[in-house]
Amino acid sequence: GAVVSQHPSRVICKSGTSVKIECRSLDFQATTMFWYRQFPKQSLMLMATSNEGSKATYEQGVEKDKFLINHASLTLSTLTVTSAHPEDSSFYICSARGTGVRGSYNEQFFGPGTRLTVL
Amino acid sequence: AQSVTQLDSQVPVFEEAPVELRCNYSSSVSVYLFWYVQYPNQGLQLLLKYLSGSTLVKGINGFEAEFNKSQTSFHLRKPSVHISDTAEYFCAVNSGGSNYKLTFGKGTLLTVNP
Repeated sequence: GAVVSQHPSRVICKSGTSVKIECRSLDFQATTMFWYRQFPKQSLMLMATSNEGSKATYEQGVEKDKFLINHASLTLSTLTVTSAHPEDSSFYICSARGTGVRGSYNEQFFGPGTRLTVL
Repeated sequence: AQSVTQLDSQVPVFEEAPVELRCNYSSSVSVYLFWYVQYPNQGLQLLLKYLSGSTLVKGINGFEAEFNKSQTSFHLRKPSVHISDTAEYFCAVNSGGSNYKLTFGKGTLLTVNP
């Protein structure tokens, strides 16, 4: 149980285009989802926290108009990178916590990540 | 505010040797502590967690960690490593609250050599 999927696993796009990444909780209801960014050989940096049905809370320094987050249902959150540029190239990882997962208090379950390359 | 320090960015060891990956944290309130493992181009997998109770926590793949409140540490140990343990290891802390945000250390690359 407690599986989180991401789609796509990797995407290459041209500069100026927008890219949408999906994060799904497959067997539990994700009341809260988190989006992280990870640069090569570095740690995870939290970008934003989203609760189902509410606006996302962005971390300091993260442009909310650049990284649009939608958490419209208890199993799906999306991250849209708008007008992507080469500096947006990174590994994006989502995680989720929620109800119905036995023994999972305070635990986040991570997706496999999405590798974004902007040319 | 909470923070995590992983003292070693890289730890090379030989197969079947013991290993300890160090983690220190700072927080003004009670904490929940986690160790995650990340294989190349993959997400994070939980190894173990400390929420309360016994300070010695056993996790998957033979790993264990000990919570030491006085030293604000949560070091990860394994008595005998395998080649397959080669990966990046992240220590993380959560100080509770309504949003359950995790703060990660910078990671330790464990390389197990034959």
